[in-house]
Amino acid sequence: QITLKESGPTLVKPTQTLTLTCTFSGFSLSTSGVGVGWIRQPPGKALEWLALIYWNDDKRYSPSLKSRLTITKDTSKNQVVLTMTNMDPVDTATYYCAHLLYSSGWFFVLSWGQGALVTVSS
Amino acid sequence: DIQMTQSPSTLSASVGDRVTITCRASQSISSWLAWYQQKPGKAPKLLIYKASSLESGVPSRFSGSGSGTEFTLTISSLQPDDFATYYCQHQTFGQGTKVEIK
Repeated sequence: QITLKESGPTLVKPTQTLTLTCTFSGFSLSTSGVGVGWIRQPPGKALEWLALIYWNDDKRYSPSLKSRLTITKDTSKNQVVLTMTNMDPVDTATYYCAHLLYSSGWFFVLSWGQGALVTVSS
Repeated sequence: DIQMTQSPSTLSASVGDRVTITCRASQSISSWLAWYQQKPGKAPKLLIYKASSLESGVPSRFSGSGSGTEFTLTISSLQPDDFATYYCQHQTFGQGTKVEIK
Protein backbone atom coordinates (compact mmCIF):
# COMPACT_ATOMS: atom_id res chain seq x y z
CA GLN A 1 0.00 0.00 0.00
CA ILE A 2 1.36 3.38 -1.01
CA THR A 3 1.08 6.25 1.45
CA LEU A 4 2.43 9.79 1.42
CA LYS A 5 2.22 12.32 4.19
CA GLU A 6 3.09 16.01 4.18
CA SER A 7 4.55 17.69 7.24
CA GLY A 8 5.58 21.23 7.99
CA PRO A 9 4.30 24.48 9.45
CA THR A 10 0.65 25.39 9.15
CA LEU A 11 1.36 29.12 9.47
CA VAL A 12 4.22 31.14 8.02
CA LYS A 13 4.83 34.86 7.94
CA PRO A 14 5.28 36.85 4.74
CA THR A 15 8.88 36.80 3.43
CA GLN A 16 9.67 33.63 5.39
CA THR A 17 10.84 30.38 3.82
CA LEU A 18 8.49 27.40 3.82
CA THR A 19 9.95 23.91 4.24
CA LEU A 20 7.67 20.94 3.63
CA THR A 21 8.60 17.29 4.00
CA CYS A 22 6.93 14.39 2.24
CA THR A 23 7.42 11.03 3.94
CA PHE A 24 6.29 8.10 1.85
CA SER A 25 6.05 4.33 1.96
CA GLY A 26 5.11 1.52 -0.39
CA PHE A 27 7.48 2.50 -3.20
CA SER A 28 11.12 3.39 -3.70
CA LEU A 29 12.44 6.58 -5.22
CA SER A 30 15.34 4.48 -6.51
CA THR A 31 13.08 2.64 -8.92
CA SER A 32 13.32 3.69 -12.56
CA GLY A 33 10.34 5.71 -13.71
CA VAL A 34 9.28 6.85 -10.25
CA GLY A 35 9.07 10.41 -9.04
CA VAL A 36 7.70 12.52 -6.21
CA GLY A 37 6.20 15.91 -6.77
CA TRP A 38 4.48 18.81 -5.05
CA ILE A 39 1.16 20.26 -6.16
CA ARG A 40 -0.79 23.00 -4.41
CA GLN A 41 -4.36 24.22 -4.39
CA PRO A 42 -5.38 27.64 -3.06
CA PRO A 43 -8.78 27.60 -1.33
CA GLY A 44 -11.54 27.22 -3.92
CA LYS A 45 -9.10 27.25 -6.82
CA ALA A 46 -7.47 24.84 -9.25
CA LEU A 47 -4.49 22.55 -8.82
CA GLU A 48 -1.04 23.99 -9.55
CA TRP A 49 2.01 21.86 -10.15
CA LEU A 50 5.12 23.17 -8.33
CA ALA A 51 8.07 20.81 -8.56
CA LEU A 52 9.10 17.19 -8.99
CA ILE A 53 12.12 14.98 -8.56
CA TYR A 54 12.72 11.69 -10.34
CA TRP A 55 14.51 8.50 -9.38
CA ASN A 56 17.61 9.66 -11.26
CA ASP A 57 17.70 12.99 -9.36
CA ASP A 58 16.35 14.90 -12.37
CA LYS A 59 14.44 17.91 -11.03
CA ARG A 60 11.77 20.02 -12.70
CA TYR A 61 10.16 23.23 -11.52
CA SER A 62 7.15 25.31 -12.47
CA PRO A 63 8.58 28.08 -14.66
CA SER A 64 6.59 30.76 -12.83
CA LEU A 65 7.94 29.72 -9.41
CA LYS A 66 11.33 28.30 -10.31
CA SER A 67 13.37 31.02 -8.65
CA ARG A 68 11.70 30.35 -5.29
CA LEU A 69 11.66 26.54 -5.21
CA THR A 70 14.13 23.82 -4.30
CA ILE A 71 13.31 20.11 -4.19
CA THR A 72 15.58 17.42 -2.76
CA LYS A 73 15.30 13.76 -1.89
CA ASP A 74 16.67 11.43 0.76
CA THR A 75 16.14 7.98 -0.67
CA SER A 76 17.32 6.20 2.46
CA LYS A 77 14.68 7.99 4.55
CA ASN A 78 11.94 7.85 1.90
CA GLN A 79 11.58 11.61 2.10
CA VAL A 80 11.33 14.51 -0.32
CA VAL A 81 11.72 18.10 0.86
CA LEU A 82 10.37 21.23 -0.83
CA THR A 83 11.52 24.69 0.13
CA MET A 84 9.77 27.83 -1.08
CA THR A 85 11.32 31.19 -0.32
CA ASN A 86 9.80 34.62 0.14
CA MET A 87 6.32 33.41 1.05
CA ASP A 88 3.37 35.71 0.35
CA PRO A 89 -0.31 35.55 1.36
CA VAL A 90 -1.14 34.43 -2.20
CA ASP A 91 0.83 31.26 -1.44
CA THR A 92 -1.82 30.21 1.06
CA ALA A 93 -2.92 26.80 -0.15
CA THR A 94 -3.19 23.11 0.53
CA TYR A 95 0.12 21.56 -0.50
CA TYR A 96 0.00 17.99 -1.76
CA CYS A 97 2.82 15.50 -2.05
CA ALA A 98 2.38 13.08 -4.94
CA HIS A 99 3.75 9.77 -6.21
CA LEU A 100 4.47 10.13 -9.91
CA LEU A 101 5.06 7.80 -12.80
CA TYR A 102 7.33 8.98 -15.60
CA SER A 103 6.66 7.97 -19.19
CA SER A 104 8.53 9.34 -22.21
CA GLY A 105 9.06 12.80 -20.79
CA TRP A 106 5.61 13.03 -19.22
CA PHE A 107 4.37 12.30 -15.72
CA PHE A 108 1.08 11.61 -14.05
CA VAL A 109 0.07 11.23 -10.43
CA LEU A 110 -0.64 7.73 -9.20
CA SER A 111 -1.13 8.55 -5.52
CA TRP A 112 -1.59 11.67 -3.44
CA GLY A 113 -0.93 12.62 0.15
CA GLN A 114 -3.78 13.95 2.25
CA GLY A 115 -2.54 17.52 1.81
CA ALA A 116 -1.29 20.12 4.25
CA LEU A 117 -2.90 23.55 4.55
CA VAL A 118 -0.32 26.32 4.79
CA THR A 119 -1.50 29.81 5.64
CA VAL A 120 0.69 32.84 5.01
CA SER A 121 -0.17 35.69 7.33
CA SER A 122 1.54 38.12 9.63
CA ASP B 1 4.59 26.38 -21.09
CA ILE B 2 1.67 24.36 -22.48
CA GLN B 3 -1.68 25.66 -21.25
CA MET B 4 -4.64 23.37 -20.57
CA THR B 5 -8.16 24.75 -20.95
CA GLN B 6 -11.23 22.86 -19.79
CA SER B 7 -14.85 23.40 -20.74
CA PRO B 8 -17.33 23.89 -19.34
CA SER B 9 -16.28 25.30 -15.96
CA THR B 10 -19.51 24.05 -14.41
CA LEU B 11 -21.89 21.40 -15.62
CA SER B 12 -25.34 20.65 -14.19
CA ALA B 13 -26.58 17.12 -14.80
CA SER B 14 -28.91 14.46 -13.45
CA VAL B 15 -28.23 10.92 -12.34
CA GLY B 16 -28.16 8.71 -15.43
CA ASP B 17 -27.05 11.48 -17.80
CA ARG B 18 -24.17 11.08 -20.21
CA VAL B 19 -21.61 13.76 -19.39
CA THR B 20 -18.72 14.99 -21.51
CA ILE B 21 -15.91 17.30 -20.39
CA THR B 22 -13.44 18.77 -22.86
CA CYS B 23 -9.79 19.65 -22.34
CA ARG B 24 -7.76 21.53 -24.93
CA ALA B 25 -3.98 21.92 -25.00
CA SER B 26 -2.29 25.04 -26.37
CA GLN B 27 -0.09 22.80 -28.53
CA SER B 28 0.02 19.13 -29.42
CA ILE B 29 0.70 16.80 -26.50
CA SER B 30 0.17 13.51 -28.32
CA SER B 31 -1.69 11.31 -25.81
CA TRP B 32 0.11 12.58 -22.73
CA LEU B 33 -2.94 13.52 -20.68
CA ALA B 34 -4.44 12.41 -17.40
CA TRP B 35 -7.83 13.01 -15.77
CA TYR B 36 -8.50 13.29 -12.05
CA GLN B 37 -11.60 13.49 -9.87
CA GLN B 38 -11.62 15.59 -6.72
CA LYS B 39 -14.29 15.74 -4.04
CA PRO B 40 -14.50 18.59 -1.49
CA GLY B 41 -11.82 18.40 1.18
CA LYS B 42 -10.15 15.40 -0.43
CA ALA B 43 -7.06 14.81 -2.54
CA PRO B 44 -7.64 14.18 -6.25
CA LYS B 45 -7.91 10.65 -7.59
CA LEU B 46 -6.52 9.37 -10.88
CA LEU B 47 -9.17 8.23 -13.35
CA ILE B 48 -7.51 8.09 -16.78
CA TYR B 49 -3.89 8.24 -17.97
CA LYS B 50 -2.36 8.44 -21.46
CA ALA B 51 -5.64 9.96 -22.63
CA SER B 52 -7.65 6.73 -22.67
CA SER B 53 -6.20 4.18 -20.22
CA LEU B 54 -8.53 3.49 -17.32
CA GLU B 55 -6.80 3.36 -13.94
CA SER B 56 -7.30 0.12 -12.05
CA GLY B 57 -10.42 0.14 -9.88
CA VAL B 58 -12.08 3.04 -11.70
CA PRO B 59 -15.61 2.22 -12.90
CA SER B 60 -15.97 1.50 -16.61
CA ARG B 61 -18.55 4.28 -17.01
CA PHE B 62 -15.54 6.62 -17.14
CA SER B 63 -13.71 6.84 -20.44
CA GLY B 64 -11.20 9.15 -22.07
CA SER B 65 -10.44 9.92 -25.67
CA GLY B 66 -8.51 12.30 -27.88
CA SER B 67 -5.00 13.10 -28.98
CA GLY B 68 -3.03 16.09 -30.12
CA THR B 69 -4.78 19.13 -28.68
CA GLU B 70 -8.34 18.01 -27.93
CA PHE B 71 -9.40 15.49 -25.32
CA THR B 72 -12.64 14.39 -23.68
CA LEU B 73 -13.65 12.69 -20.46
CA THR B 74 -17.00 10.94 -20.69
CA ILE B 75 -19.14 9.54 -17.92
CA SER B 76 -21.61 7.24 -19.66
CA SER B 77 -24.27 7.23 -16.92
CA LEU B 78 -23.75 9.71 -14.11
CA GLN B 79 -23.98 8.23 -10.62
CA PRO B 80 -24.50 10.05 -7.30
CA ASP B 81 -20.86 9.41 -6.37
CA ASP B 82 -19.67 11.20 -9.52
CA PHE B 83 -20.67 14.72 -8.47
CA ALA B 84 -17.23 16.25 -8.07
CA THR B 85 -14.67 18.46 -9.80
CA TYR B 86 -12.64 17.00 -12.65
CA TYR B 87 -9.19 18.12 -13.79
CA CYS B 88 -7.13 17.33 -16.84
CA GLN B 89 -3.33 17.39 -16.62
CA HIS B 90 -0.45 17.40 -19.01
CA GLN B 91 2.26 19.02 -16.96
CA THR B 92 0.03 21.83 -15.76
CA PHE B 93 -3.57 21.25 -14.80
CA GLY B 94 -6.71 22.57 -16.38
CA GLN B 95 -8.85 24.95 -14.36
CA GLY B 96 -11.33 22.23 -13.45
CA THR B 97 -14.92 21.32 -14.30
CA LYS B 98 -17.42 21.08 -11.47
CA VAL B 99 -20.19 18.56 -12.07
CA GLU B 100 -23.26 19.61 -10.07
CA ILE B 101 -26.63 18.07 -9.42
CA LYS B 102 -29.31 19.50 -11.72
